[in-house]
Amino acid sequence: AQSVTQLGSHVSVSEGALVLLRCNYSSSVPPYLFWYVQYPNQGLQLLLKYTSAATLVKGINGFEAEFKKSETSFHLTKPSAHMSDAAEYFCAVSVGGSQGNLIFGKGTKLSVKP
Amino acid sequence: ETGVTQSPTHLIKTRGQQVTLRCSSQSGHNTVSWYQQALGQGPQFIFQYYREEENGRGNFPPRFSGLQFPNYSSELNVNALELDDSALYLCASTLLADYNEQFFGPGTRLTVL
Repeated sequence: AQSVTQLGSHVSVSEGALVLLRCNYSSSVPPYLFWYVQYPNQGLQLLLKYTSAATLVKGINGFEAEFKKSETSFHLTKPSAHMSDAAEYFCAVSVGGSQGNLIFGKGTKLSVKP
Repeated sequence: ETGVTQSPTHLIKTRGQQVTLRCSSQSGHNTVSWYQQALGQGPQFIFQYYREEENGRGNFPPRFSGLQFPNYSSELNVNALELDDSALYLCASTLLADYNEQFFGPGTRLTVL
């Protein structure tokens, strides 16, 4: 069965610092992996997705993630945090293709200090 | 803006009542999924509808049911509401084809008293 573990329910960085949000997955088949962002009182917005093409995936707003099969990881990074990046971030794995049932991690709340 | 809308935005019900939540998908999207997001948790898959038929279900009891209509709208119905049903309910629509992403609506916040 597929599952997702996000390490750290809350991450705090200074503006301009590196953002690293960790995600490890468990899947018996090659996974589709996603990162979503949720701003307060809003739905989910797709940041980026891995669908078995390039292992380094670039997304919106300067975020990227690297699929590492040997480590079963899909960590999200951004070189320089901006105040507007403060939000909750969810890693998800898909069952059965990119439109299938998404299994989400519990989320990591990112705070950005001025 | 994802082109997916949900109504109402907020809803308050009492235990034992029934509720209907609505979602309007992007034009042309033949698949809609519903998720429940409890406070402080990630969304959990309730079920998916493809061309008006249920196409997968998560670990939710039968009192959670759905409908999908030809005009790209859908409903989530919950009977016999329980306090634990209080959550943000999200719908996501997509065109069922490989590599297509799901587009999420803003959600309906349901509070059960």
